[in-house]
Amino acid sequence: QQQVKQSPQSLIVQKGGISIINCAYENTAFDYFPWYQQFPGKGPALLIAIRPDVSEKKEGRFTISFNKSAKQFSLHIMDSQPGDSATYFCAAASRDDKIIFGKGTRLHILP
Amino acid sequence: DAGITQSPRHKVTETGTPVTLRCHQTENHRYMYWYRQDPGHGLRLIHYSYGVKDTDKGEVSDGYSVSRSKTEDFLLTLESATSSQTSVYFCAIKGSYNEQFFGPGTRLTVL
Repeated sequence: QQQVKQSPQSLIVQKGGISIINCAYENTAFDYFPWYQQFPGKGPALLIAIRPDVSEKKEGRFTISFNKSAKQFSLHIMDSQPGDSATYFCAAASRDDKIIFGKGTRLHILP
Repeated sequence: DAGITQSPRHKVTETGTPVTLRCHQTENHRYMYWYRQDPGHGLRLIHYSYGVKDTDKGEVSDGYSVSRSKTEDFLLTLESATSSQTSVYFCAIKGSYNEQFFGPGTRLTVL
């Protein structure tokens, strides 16, 4: 019940395309859903986050879609660029300060 | 980077030797975390701290101990390093909305 399942493990997208990464959770106590971006040799960096009272949040080319009833959320990267090539982690956090991470998706954008 | 530094950034050691990794933050955050990152496993919580001298175990705490004698420093100790502890270690702090901010990481190799 504490798992966050992330898919796919790896993804290749053409430049200009849409990258989509999906996550699913089971514990309804989660109330905060961040996404992290990690470049090789660097620490994960907070990219965008959403709370379950909204169904979508957009920041530039990055959008989180959230489906509370299905307990799923996804990251969409519009107009994907080679500089977006990185590993992306979804996560789910609850009020008791626990945060659970997905296992990551390695994204490669073809130039 | 939320004012987080980790030292050392790289370390090579031998099996059976003690190792201490340091995390230092400059913004007076109460919560601090230690994670390890391994291929296929994502980020796994080792220990965390919710105040000076207040710590608790995470998912993979066996073989690790921590100490926090002042707000800004959180130390992770491997009492007797083993090859299975070869990993990249990240320190993190908790922000205002339960998000976490990560340090740059320490790459540890145990021969």
